[in-house]
Amino acid sequence: KQEVTQIPAALSVPEGENLVLNCSFTDSAIYNLQWFRQDPGKGLTSLLLIQSSQREQTSGRLNASLDKSSGRSTLYIAASQPGDSATYLCAVRPSNNDMRFGAGTRLTVKP
Amino acid sequence: EADIYQTPRYLVIGTGKKITLECSQTMGHDKMYWYQQDPGMELHLIHYSYGVNSTEKGDLSSESTVSRIRTEHFPLTLESARPSHTSQYLCASSRTVNTGELFFGEGSRLTVL
Repeated sequence: KQEVTQIPAALSVPEGENLVLNCSFTDSAIYNLQWFRQDPGKGLTSLLLIQSSQREQTSGRLNASLDKSSGRSTLYIAASQPGDSATYLCAVRPSNNDMRFGAGTRLTVKP
Repeated sequence: EADIYQTPRYLVIGTGKKITLECSQTMGHDKMYWYQQDPGMELHLIHYSYGVNSTEKGDLSSESTVSRIRTEHFPLTLESARPSHTSQYLCASSRTVNTGELFFGEGSRLTVL
């Protein structure tokens, strides 16, 4: 059964820092991997989707990479801002079955 | 921008009441899902549907039921709410083909007194 782990569970950084959030998964046979952002009490907003054949995706200050063979993905946030404060979740879709979610990394960016 | 809508956003009710949480999407997605999430905790899949008249239970046992009579509509019902049902319920949808990207609604926060 696919398991998804996110490290660290919480992260606090000063504004302007570049940071990396980590996601690992146990089974490399995946269909895609998706990064989400969740603000308190809200739903999940899709940030980046990486298909199994891709190595990375970029959107603005965000860059997500995927290394299937090692079962890892990273989300890189450049020049962090207080508005980036949220919980970031990684989810893996095992071969077109249902998504498996990590527990998330709670990010705080201090002004 | 995801076109998936949940109502109500917030609901406070007494024990024993019947409630229905509504979820609709206008993207023509065949797959729809309900997740349950307690504050600060992981998402747990409680129900999913791969199309009209198809419903399955997810990983987390739930006393709720769902129906899928129309492609765009996937309501969740609790026949008799209890305080243990207090949680946030998140609806999501995706296509089987193409990217399989998952889109979420804003969630319904249920409090049972």
